[in-house]
Amino acid sequence: DTAVSQTPKYLVTQMGNDKSIKCEQNLGHDTMYWYKQDSKKFLKIMFSYNNKELIINETVPNRFSPKSPDKAHLNLHINSLELGDSAVYFCASSPVWTPTYEQYFGPGTRLTVT
Amino acid sequence: GIQVEQSPPDLILQEGANSTLRCNFSDSVNNLQWFHQNPWGQLINLFYIPSGTKQNGRLSATTVATERYSLLYISSSQTTDSGVYFCAVGRGGTASKLTFGTGTRLQVTL
Repeated sequence: DTAVSQTPKYLVTQMGNDKSIKCEQNLGHDTMYWYKQDSKKFLKIMFSYNNKELIINETVPNRFSPKSPDKAHLNLHINSLELGDSAVYFCASSPVWTPTYEQYFGPGTRLTVT
Repeated sequence: GIQVEQSPPDLILQEGANSTLRCNFSDSVNNLQWFHQNPWGQLINLFYIPSGTKQNGRLSATTVATERYSLLYISSSQTTDSGVYFCAVGRGGTASKLTFGTGTRLQVTL
């Protein structure tokens, strides 16, 4: 069974469109994250949620809106897509009530904006 | 914020060779992870190692938290080891972020 899954794996869309990426984890974790990997392979945090509550919003444009319907899901909605949004987006999760802070990553969603 | 530096940035090895990758970080941490990003883009957890030493097959890692560095050892490298190796660190509690280094790109040739 896949621990952290994302859909879709690839997303090609035009500038100005609105799109969503979905993430689900079956690890029973309370905390979920979105990271962005740019064209130079640099990975940076965008958001983190703990039990559906937003904890980190790392100066991301407000065109990006995360939504957590329950603690197993964290979706990312992007409005008015721009060329610079092209990147790979990774979802991750981690436990809270254990002595480890290890984060587990999904397979990534490659977004291409044309 | 915390700074993470990895070295070397690029490494080319012949199959069978050994290598050491280094990660320096600028502040105390309670999370340190090593990842392998394979040529298909998947991020694979290698080690969760905020301190101490761990081994998994041909790979091992050591973190000296007091001196703010971690080392990843790859022995008897194989072509499947090719890809980018990232070190990422975190501090703080619930939902705290990982800060990634810029990675070491490894190419293992026949």
